[in-house]
Amino acid sequence: DTGVSQNPRHKITKRGQNVTFRCDPISEHNRLYWYRQTLGQGPEFLTYFQNEAQLEKSRLLSDRFSAERPKGSFSTLEIQRTEQGDSAMYLCASSLVGQGSEQFFGPGTRLTVL
Amino acid sequence: SQKIEQNSEALNIQEGKTATLTCNYTNYSPAYLQWYRQDPGRGPVFLLLIRENEKEKRKERLKVTFDTTLKQSLFHITASQPADSATYLCARMDSNYQLIWGAGTKLIIKP
Repeated sequence: DTGVSQNPRHKITKRGQNVTFRCDPISEHNRLYWYRQTLGQGPEFLTYFQNEAQLEKSRLLSDRFSAERPKGSFSTLEIQRTEQGDSAMYLCASSLVGQGSEQFFGPGTRLTVL
Repeated sequence: SQKIEQNSEALNIQEGKTATLTCNYTNYSPAYLQWYRQDPGRGPVFLLLIRENEKEKRKERLKVTFDTTLKQSLFHITASQPADSATYLCARMDSNYQLIWGAGTKLIIKP
């Protein structure tokens, strides 16, 4: 399968714990995006990378959230001291460079914070 | 701020009819809009992109229009099938390459 993959698919954690998600984009894609989506809403932009550089981060994003893409390939998203409000689907997408380039999404990681 | 608005109510359509979904935006016109399909528990899948200088774009049974006067894009599925049932999302990209999304419209095609 040469699509975008995400692991784990589901994560249940207790409030206050740290969690880390992984995204493997399509190999030739330079751009990688992280989104969060709650029921009945569209995806909410969190951050994006072009190669290994993190170029944009949502102003709404708490400093408990951090993302890395150390070698310009896979990326990780870490949430520290999770809160119940962090419960959501976390989506990763990748694309080629170019305005208007379609984004290819992974299946998402569903996080439940108890 | 830029907003994308889609009808939050589910749209019920009889199989074989044309389904039309609406995407409205505020303030200045985006250079283009993208439409995606999302099935429950899965990530969105890209369907079509339309640029502001294009009035219409087609792909098989899908058609998208872009009216910069009305600040609106319409998404049509002709000869609809139960397999077309999904949530359809409209999105525009801002100058920082962030996709700004509507909440999506759930489409239900009844056999």
